Amino acid sequence: GAVVSQHPSWVICKSGTSVKIECRSLDFQATTMFWYRQFPKQSLMLMATSNEGSKATYEQGVEKDKFLINHASLTLSTLTVTSAHPEDSSFYICSATQIGLAGYEQYFGPGTRLTVT
Amino acid sequence: GQSLEQPSEVTAVEGAIVQINCTYQTSGFYGLSWYQQHDGGAPTFLSYNALDGLEETGRFSSFLSRSDSYGYLLLQELQMKDSASYFCAVNTGGFKTIFGAGTRLFVKA
Repeated sequence: GAVVSQHPSWVICKSGTSVKIECRSLDFQATTMFWYRQFPKQSLMLMATSNEGSKATYEQGVEKDKFLINHASLTLSTLTVTSAHPEDSSFYICSATQIGLAGYEQYFGPGTRLTVT
Repeated sequence: GQSLEQPSEVTAVEGAIVQINCTYQTSGFYGLSWYQQHDGGAPTFLSYNALDGLEETGRFSSFLSRSDSYGYLLLQELQMKDSASYFCAVNTGGFKTIFGAGTRLFVKA
């Protein structure tokens, strides 16, 4: 099946610094990728839709200046958390979509656990 | 608003059958998906229903009734490794997916 990777898998940073998370589709091209955030024992909350070559579309309540998304190629999207604060500590997951034998399929990366101290 | 409702948790024994229901109310609907997530891991795709009816994949089956805005995931011959959270999710258009709160399944010996 389709594989999506994320890097890093976990990161600890100090408050006020910025962190970049990469999301790659390894064996397929993804015109659209998505970024989610998940707090412990909660559901996935869609943050933004990332389209190759254009600006990301952010969900209501998500600060676009704080969560910078760049989709430079059909296989790479990056999320940069700028001026991180402890409340930004969360599990960040990207996904990429593909039309497969089962129809619409969404493949998730392994996630990045961010801890801001 | 948009909402997906599913039970918060379900407990069953090994070898049993369990059904996890999902009702949804969304502004758009193109299909219902199910995902499994183990603690500390990322969600993994289980199934997708775009049309009414039952889809079977091994021990897992998924059902959709668009007229009732309802679907379910059926897990048969439960195994301990099936203990995880299960999310239903609606594709509302443009590949955009809205997730339910998740159902935590506990499988006991």
